Amino acid sequence: QVQLVESGGGVVQPGRSLRLSCAASGFTFSNYAMHWVRQAPGKGLEWVAAISYNGSEKYYADFVRGRFTFSRDNSKNTLYLQMNSLRPEDTAKYYCAKQLGLHFDWLNYFDFWGLGTLVTVSS
Amino acid sequence: EIVLTQSPATLSLSPGERATLSCRASQSVSSYLAWYQQKPGQAPRLLIYDASKRTPGLAARFSGRGSGTDFTLTISSLEPEDFAVYFCQQRSSWPPLTFGGGTRVEIK
Repeated sequence: QVQLVESGGGVVQPGRSLRLSCAASGFTFSNYAMHWVRQAPGKGLEWVAAISYNGSEKYYADFVRGRFTFSRDNSKNTLYLQMNSLRPEDTAKYYCAKQLGLHFDWLNYFDFWGLGTLVTVSS
Repeated sequence: EIVLTQSPATLSLSPGERATLSCRASQSVSSYLAWYQQKPGQAPRLLIYDASKRTPGLAARFSGRGSGTDFTLTISSLEPEDFAVYFCQQRSSWPPLTFGGGTRVEIK
């Protein structure tokens, strides 16, 4: 069965960095585009970033572009989200999500999600 | 960026009643729209994609329809486990992929 397990969240001061990881299992990880989606406490869902099956293409939401870097290691079935220059408004639960379709521009909906990892940016 | 507006924000219904949730896009998204269900403390669950395609195992009481800018998720007869928050999401024009603000279906 598909499993996505995020880790790396915590409390961090504004301006500092954090790296999130997402360990995937139960499917052929290297075949699928993957995403990060976040949800501020009590709020809605917000797409953060996407990465192609081989890591060659990446897309970011405007509010994280230049601060966050999305990468993947297909040999370890793991995603990474390097988060720099964190702001209080980045406080949210961060979910990694598997794309329904294999490639970008095909069925980029999210059919499996992790349980999320909470990032709190506060002084 | 395509903005998705969901209405109503909250829907108060009793078990057995029909629920009709709306998602309106700021510009046409063709049929490239999905619906998710989220229960407290859980990750979202994909229900419907491409406006009307049901995910495997989804109960028959859930259905989606629409195209262009207006979409509907219908739950024909609410079961106790259906009380949750529902989000729509478009993939027509991205980045960014965008979500609606959600509709909470609560027990009346």
